[in-house]
Amino acid sequence: KNQVEQSPQSLIILEGKNCTLQCNYTVSPFSNLRWYKQDTGRGPVSLTIMTFSENTKSNGRYTATLDADTKQSSLHITASQLSDSASYICVVSAMGGGADGLTFGKGTHLIIQP
Amino acid sequence: NAGVMQNPRHLVRRRGQEARLRCSPVKGHSHVYWYRQLPEEGLKFMVYLQKENIIDESGMPKERFSAEFPKEGPSILRIQQVVRGDSAAYFCASSPAWTGDRATEAFFGQGTRLTVV
Repeated sequence: KNQVEQSPQSLIILEGKNCTLQCNYTVSPFSNLRWYKQDTGRGPVSLTIMTFSENTKSNGRYTATLDADTKQSSLHITASQLSDSASYICVVSAMGGGADGLTFGKGTHLIIQP
Repeated sequence: NAGVMQNPRHLVRRRGQEARLRCSPVKGHSHVYWYRQLPEEGLKFMVYLQKENIIDESGMPKERFSAEFPKEGPSILRIQQVVRGDSAAYFCASSPAWTGDRATEAFFGQGTRLTVV
């Protein structure tokens, strides 16, 4: 069964600090991995998409890594800001991942404290 | 360039009433997906549509729920005879091609929060 597990479930850090969110998946055959940011009460917004051949991708202060061998991904946030407070969702795309091809993690709820 | 537009943002219905949720995809996108999200839960796939066709509705309850994406106009998710358990956030996403293919980007709307009282 295709699954995406994210850790931690929730995380609280101080403004200005860095943090790393983890994603493990068992989706097969793998096509690509996406990280989304979902602010409270809003829809998910794409941060990065990585295909099999990419092992790192950056979007401003967000850097995603992918290890297709161990089926792990991480999202690193540098110099956190209050506006980074949100849920971060890892989504893996593959054949058999549902009719939309996507398997969603439950997300990591990140809180940035001043 | 408007993104995915969903309306209404909030909808309150009494038990037994009908709820109609609308989704206008990004201009030029012919693939629409509906998802349901409960508090503290991940997004759950409901239905995948292309213009005038339901491609897969395996995530949608067989009774009371229906979806359409007509040739003209928005996609509609319709819930008949709503019950308290239908209370959730419903998100629509659109893409120019199937999201399971390569790195096709999916764009999400802001969601409709349905509350059944």
